[in-house]
Amino acid sequence: DVKVTQSSRYLVKRTGEKVFLECVQDMDHENMFWYRQDPGLGLRLIYFSYDVKMKEKGDIPEGYSVSREKKERFSLILESASTNQTSMYLCASRSGGGAPNEQFFGPGTRLTVL
Amino acid sequence: EDKVVQSPLSLVVHEGDTVTLNCSYEVTNFRSLLWYKQEKKAPTFLFMLTSSGIEKKSGRLSSILDKKELFSILNITATQTGDSAIYLCAVISTGNQFYFGTGTSLTVIP
Repeated sequence: DVKVTQSSRYLVKRTGEKVFLECVQDMDHENMFWYRQDPGLGLRLIYFSYDVKMKEKGDIPEGYSVSREKKERFSLILESASTNQTSMYLCASRSGGGAPNEQFFGPGTRLTVL
Repeated sequence: EDKVVQSPLSLVVHEGDTVTLNCSYEVTNFRSLLWYKQEKKAPTFLFMLTSSGIEKKSGRLSSILDKKELFSILNITATQTGDSAIYLCAVISTGNQFYFGTGTSLTVIP
């Protein structure tokens, strides 16, 4: 059974804190993605990675960074959390050579920044 | 196990055709169902459905939810080549957990 897991379901942090969101997939996928989901705005791509140590900015990378040291793990980092980063964060992974809709999402992390 | 299943996996139609995409779910503590269109990397929100039997409509796209039979359909009438995309269905639980289907890949040929 394919799995994309995210380290936390809920997180509450304070403004200025450094926040790590972890995503792990067990499908040996090359591509991994971080999105945020906000009401009325749909899913917005923050960063993606197509291989270990490779990363590319998505549509809204400001205030975020990522790390992909191992193929199965893609971390999203908020260097100094701000209230406007309160959101639902979703991770997804996809095989590099697979059909375009063989994309799997994690369950999401609801982050609240106070 | 909670899951969302979409069908068909892929679909090729001619411009002008009408298509129906299916999304069935088994999710405890259902809250709402969302449809997205994914053309490039980030899916674009289409509809959110919470109540059974109420059709949501936007131009040539419409969607309806059946909470008794646990499914939703997305209809696209008079398809155009710009409708070519992956259509994703997701269910959100009352615990705010997302369950995504793997999508239906739609190709509209001129």
